[in-house]
Amino acid sequence: GQQVMQIPQYQHVQEGEDFTTYCNSSTTLSNIQWYKQRPGGHPVFLIQLVKSGEVKKQKRLTFQFGEAKKNSSLHITATQTTDVGTYFCAGSLSNAGGTSYGKLTFGQGTILTVHP
Amino acid sequence: DTGVSQDPRHKITKRGQNVTFRCDPISEHNRLYWYRQTLGQGPEFLTYFQNEAQLEKSRLLSDRFSAERPKGSFSTLEIQRTEQGDSAMYLCASSLISNTGELFFGEGSRLTVL
Repeated sequence: GQQVMQIPQYQHVQEGEDFTTYCNSSTTLSNIQWYKQRPGGHPVFLIQLVKSGEVKKQKRLTFQFGEAKKNSSLHITATQTTDVGTYFCAGSLSNAGGTSYGKLTFGQGTILTVHP
Repeated sequence: DTGVSQDPRHKITKRGQNVTFRCDPISEHNRLYWYRQTLGQGPEFLTYFQNEAQLEKSRLLSDRFSAERPKGSFSTLEIQRTEQGDSAMYLCASSLISNTGELFFGEGSRLTVL
């Protein structure tokens, strides 16, 4: 079955340092989504990437989708203490008609700790 | 509050008992999902509905798990004869087919099986 792997599992940074998490799928994806889960909270949607090679930015966050649509990355520039949490990628497949299957397969997440 | 709501938020039960969780999605959302999350792991897909139809169920799910969405609105997830390995956070999420694909998660129902 489809598997989504994320590295690293943990990342500890000093405030102001950059952070990157990587996501790899065993199968080609129709799209990939990123979620953030604060400690004790529930996953909250950050972004969806659909096109091969797509790059999207949200303030200090940069998201990339690989050319083969099997990998993705999230980069945070100049981390802040508010960035603390677990970042998950989640991929979905689509049928030949392009309709996205409902199921999202999540990676195991990268836990980000930011030291002030 | 117009978000996804789940009930109960916490459930402690003894092994062998049955438990039922309820999820009320965002009202106009036609897709509803159940995920399970254990400590240090990402959400694990259990099943999802499009309106009242259950379109996919994880092969990891044993026959002790059943989910319904009888009128295409709220959903229930029942676990029969609970085992200690069922202890987890059960997350419900909803979405619209036509939107960005974003899942809106509820706060979850935490199950502890003693």
